Amino acid sequence: QLALTQSPSASASLGASVKLTCTLNSGHSDFAVAWHQQRPGTGPRYLMKLNSDGSHRRGDGIPDRFSGSSSGAERHLIISSLQSEDEADYYCQTWGTGIRVVFGGGTKLTVL
Amino acid sequence: EVQLVESGGGLVQPGRSLRLSCATSGFTFDDYAMHWVRRAPGKGLEWVSGITWKNINMDYADSVKGRFTISRDNAKKSLYLQMNSLRVDDTALYYCAKGGGVGAAHFDYWGQGILVTVSP
Repeated sequence: QLALTQSPSASASLGASVKLTCTLNSGHSDFAVAWHQQRPGTGPRYLMKLNSDGSHRRGDGIPDRFSGSSSGAERHLIISSLQSEDEADYYCQTWGTGIRVVFGGGTKLTVL
Repeated sequence: EVQLVESGGGLVQPGRSLRLSCATSGFTFDDYAMHWVRRAPGKGLEWVSGITWKNINMDYADSVKGRFTISRDNAKKSLYLQMNSLRVDDTALYYCAKGGGVGAAHFDYWGQGILVTVSP
């Protein structure tokens, strides 16, 4: 059963960098994930697709302050030069061979 | 510009039905899988249902299986979710999402969401 684990919360200072982690469960360490951002009161926004080799492709209009990396079963979202507008919930998502998809529990990012 | 616009939400009593719609534009609707995702108050995103590009395959979260039905009308470029036997714990913001391919894949566009409230 495909599953993703995220820490519930993270914080970092304005202008700094932060790395959010999403971990695939055993047996699925080669799966790609997608990262999504949801600001308060808005719909989710697709940030990027991140492959197991660390290659990633950002969505339309996503600034290069957002990047990704992979290590084993971990998929990282790295946000540099943090801005107040980056304060949001961040979700990772993955999928198998059918139509079903799975979300991680989400990480609430606070910008100090 | 890709646009996904949900409609059909509202306040409904437990046990009743509601039909959500998602009107799309800006992409070749027939070529992509489409999904419904919800976010209940105080909770994270939950995948609800998905449908492949040619209606070949549909699937549902266990929490809605047997009560919800997903469908699509490629001529109208629209996605639907028929929700029957609604329960209080179905209360959530419901989002329409575009898949990145014909089957399971990342979601690359989202709607703004529509509120469904199930209350006595």
